[in-house]
Amino acid sequence: NAGVTQTPKFRVLKTGQSMTLLCAQDMNHEYMYWYRQDPGMGLRLIHYSVGEGTTAKGEVPDGYNVSRLKKQNFLLGLESAAPSQTSVYFCASSFAPTVYNEQFFGPGTRLTVL
Amino acid sequence: AQSVSQHNHHVILSEAASLELGCNYSYGGTVNLFWYVQYPGQHLQLLLKYFSGDPLVKGIKGFEAEFIKSKFSFNLRKPSVQWSDTAEYFCAVNFKAGNNRKLIWGLGTSLAVNP
Repeated sequence: NAGVTQTPKFRVLKTGQSMTLLCAQDMNHEYMYWYRQDPGMGLRLIHYSVGEGTTAKGEVPDGYNVSRLKKQNFLLGLESAAPSQTSVYFCASSFAPTVYNEQFFGPGTRLTVL
Repeated sequence: AQSVSQHNHHVILSEAASLELGCNYSYGGTVNLFWYVQYPGQHLQLLLKYFSGDPLVKGIKGFEAEFIKSKFSFNLRKPSVQWSDTAEYFCAVNFKAGNNRKLIWGLGTSLAVNP
């Protein structure tokens, strides 16, 4: 099993450009999550999904959109990138709500917005 | 509001020293507790977790943590660290929020182990 994979690994954007980050998991997990990690701020939840076709806002959703058209994929979109979105983005998945299960993380995408 | 605090932001140790990283949370109800580790350039992975039962939990790579309910703490320990333990360590606590559960992360502790 590949676990959780993310593409791309690195990306540099100019302000105003758009891009989509792809997360894929092969563990048949229902729940998927997008986080951003910034120095001194830990992990912050952007959006999450509790199943195919569903999405919900997390702690810092502004400026991002997501889609979960297939159970194994969770896409994170930036419609008009801003320098404040420079960060490392992690995708995670879990069998069920985190109350009983751990989250499995992808390797991360390092995004720089100039 | 629920919160998770990790007291030490940066820790520097020599090999063979003992490690204790603090994690405290503010919430009076039932919680589930996690410690994750992120090695340089790698993704987060679970070190250990506590749901119920024995409050002393053993994880991978010789790590353990003790849940002390009266102190709202879940400190991570290792008796003798190695250079390969250099990493960032995150405490996470799962709280009940209304009808939902909410996972809140600490800000992380960066551990550097000198050979």
